[in-house]
Amino acid sequence: DIQMTQSPSSLSASVGDRVTITCQASQDISNYLNWYQQKPGKAPKLLIYDASNLETGVPSRFSGSGSGTDFTFTISSLQPEDIATYYCQQYDNLPRTFGQGTKVEIK
Amino acid sequence: QVQLQESGPGLVKPSQTLSLTCTVSGGSISSGSYYWSWIRQPAGKGLEWIGRIYTSGSTNYNPSLKSRVTISVDTSKNQFSLKLSSVTAADTAVYYCAREDIAVWAFDIWGQGTMVTVSS
Repeated sequence: DIQMTQSPSSLSASVGDRVTITCQASQDISNYLNWYQQKPGKAPKLLIYDASNLETGVPSRFSGSGSGTDFTFTISSLQPEDIATYYCQQYDNLPRTFGQGTKVEIK
Repeated sequence: QVQLQESGPGLVKPSQTLSLTCTVSGGSISSGSYYWSWIRQPAGKGLEWIGRIYTSGSTNYNPSLKSRVTISVDTSKNQFSLKLSSVTAADTAVYYCAREDIAVWAFDIWGQGTMVTVSS
């Protein structure tokens, strides 16, 4: 299985701050990476696919980059509604695997 | 707009079989553009992909669960189902069904999730 490692596990930032989350794959996965947002008690929501493509309807303050084994997810200006846990997920191979999640809180 | 809805018992006894169904509305499960997956999440933990099925009935399972999992599809009812046998407390989780869009290989639509507790 491809292991996905996210960091940090949690972070606290102020409204308006730039927030960055990293995701590292245990092997080269090209750009076969997605990012999801999960709010408490809700199902995950797709934000970014193919490492850097914004899903339709997702605010442009969200972005993703990277390829190979190292990926970055960024919120350019943190908003109160962005409080959630964020997961990366690889689709280079089966089984599909997710990072352990990064919980984003407001300071 | 396509929606997914999980259904099934919220409580299962240890050693028994967990059975869940996902009903697809607003679209056809027979579309060749999607795989249909089950994903679970223990309380306070991360997401684990269980397996998926294609409209043809072709399946793929997570090796960690493969010996206990069966996913099936009923195109006449626009549903797909999960059976997980010999459950233990470790199988207690929120179970989600999700659609994987072949165009982008991402889980673009999810059900709301259903909590399943394994306990006697």
